[in-house]
Amino acid sequence: EVQLVESGGGLVQPGGSLRLSCAASGFTFSAYSMNWVRQAPGKGLEWISYISIISSTKYYEDAVKGRFTISRDNAKNSLYLQMNNLREDDTAVYYCARDKDSGSYYFDNWGQGTLVTVSS
Amino acid sequence: DIQMTQSPFTLSASVGDRVIITCRASQSISSWLAWYQQKPGKAPKLLIYKASTLESGVPSRFSGSGSGTEFTLTISSLQPDDFATYYCQQYNSKPLTFGGGTKVEIK
Repeated sequence: EVQLVESGGGLVQPGGSLRLSCAASGFTFSAYSMNWVRQAPGKGLEWISYISIISSTKYYEDAVKGRFTISRDNAKNSLYLQMNNLREDDTAVYYCARDKDSGSYYFDNWGQGTLVTVSS
Repeated sequence: DIQMTQSPFTLSASVGDRVIITCRASQSISSWLAWYQQKPGKAPKLLIYKASTLESGVPSRFSGSGSGTEFTLTISSLQPDDFATYYCQQYNSKPLTFGGGTKVEIK
């Protein structure tokens, strides 16, 4: 069974940093491109970042470009999101999501999400 | 960026009703469109991709159609488990973008 488990969320002050992790199991992690998608409280879904299978290609949504960095460790079956200079409008549940096929850019498996709250 | 607009915002329906949700793209996305279902407190679930291909395990009462800029998600006979929020997503170009969602409520 495919499992994606996010961790690392929490309360952080504006300007602070957090590193989210997503532990993958039940599939060959190194064969799939991965994404981060977030959802602000009571709002819709927002894609924020993509990483290819060997990390050679990365994409970011403009609102996080220059502040967030996506990475992966295929040996550890893990996906990461380093978030710096956090703002209050980054408050959201952050999901890791697997591309259905490598480079397909739509998502067939999602984690349960981890809540990031940015507030003073 | 490609803007995705869903309508209606909210839909009240009864069990057994036929439900149609519309998604419009601000420019042509060919058939590069997916639909998701999300229930409160849960992660989204993929229903349909490439505009009309049903994801494995999704009931056949769900169907998708359209191409270019206009797309529909149809639930042929609404079931109690279908009350949820539905999102479309384009993957024609980056940034990947979602529609604002359509909440299907019990009438």
